Amino acid sequence: SYVLTQPSSVSVAPGETARIVCGGDNIGSYSVHWYQRKPGEAPVLVIYYDSARPSGTPERFSGSKSGNTATLTISRVEAGDEADYFCQVWHSSRGGVFGGGTKLTVL
Amino acid sequence: QVQLVESGGDLVKPGGSLRLSCAASGFTFSDYYMSWIRETPGKGLEWVSYISGATSKIYYGDSVKGRFTVSRDNSKNSLFLQMNSLRVEDTAIYYCARGGTTAHYYVFDWGQGTLVTVSS
Repeated sequence: SYVLTQPSSVSVAPGETARIVCGGDNIGSYSVHWYQRKPGEAPVLVIYYDSARPSGTPERFSGSKSGNTATLTISRVEAGDEADYFCQVWHSSRGGVFGGGTKLTVL
Repeated sequence: QVQLVESGGDLVKPGGSLRLSCAASGFTFSDYYMSWIRETPGKGLEWVSYISGATSKIYYGDSVKGRFTVSRDNSKNSLFLQMNSLRVEDTAIYYCARGGTTAHYYVFDWGQGTLVTVSS
């Protein structure tokens, strides 16, 4: 099976930069997509194809990839960014694979 | 505004069947890939199935292959998931999700989910 590994939690103060990582074997070969889910709400796509932003995603959100790690970076973090964040790839033989999710806490 | 509203979740015994529905609005339904994704506390998010706009491309995850059938009615903007031979491990929240017009690799929009519980 193919596994995407995320830290269970990340904490950051308002105005600082949050970095949420997603690790996977040979992840460089796959496009990585990121979702945000706030309590009681449906998930929302915030980054797709590694670094593209859907309309509606603030420019403060960016995605990157290097080696076996993809990173979601949130600049100038706001209280409203507090949520769970999931990474996802479409694996050639395993289909859609999600990371376990990272809870972002804004201190 | 895109809306995806799932229905049909219920309590069912192992070996039973259930049909989930998803009513879509706010976009040209027939143009888009649609998916079912489920979530459990233990296994997290799992991609169950997708179907292309013209129904020519269909995918099932290994855990549901041969038991679940995805379909859509583009005239009624509706997506369905027929679930047969249900197992305890199929217990999950099932989300209806909208992909792209040419790509199924990600999901633009999700519904709120419907709960399926398989238990004796």
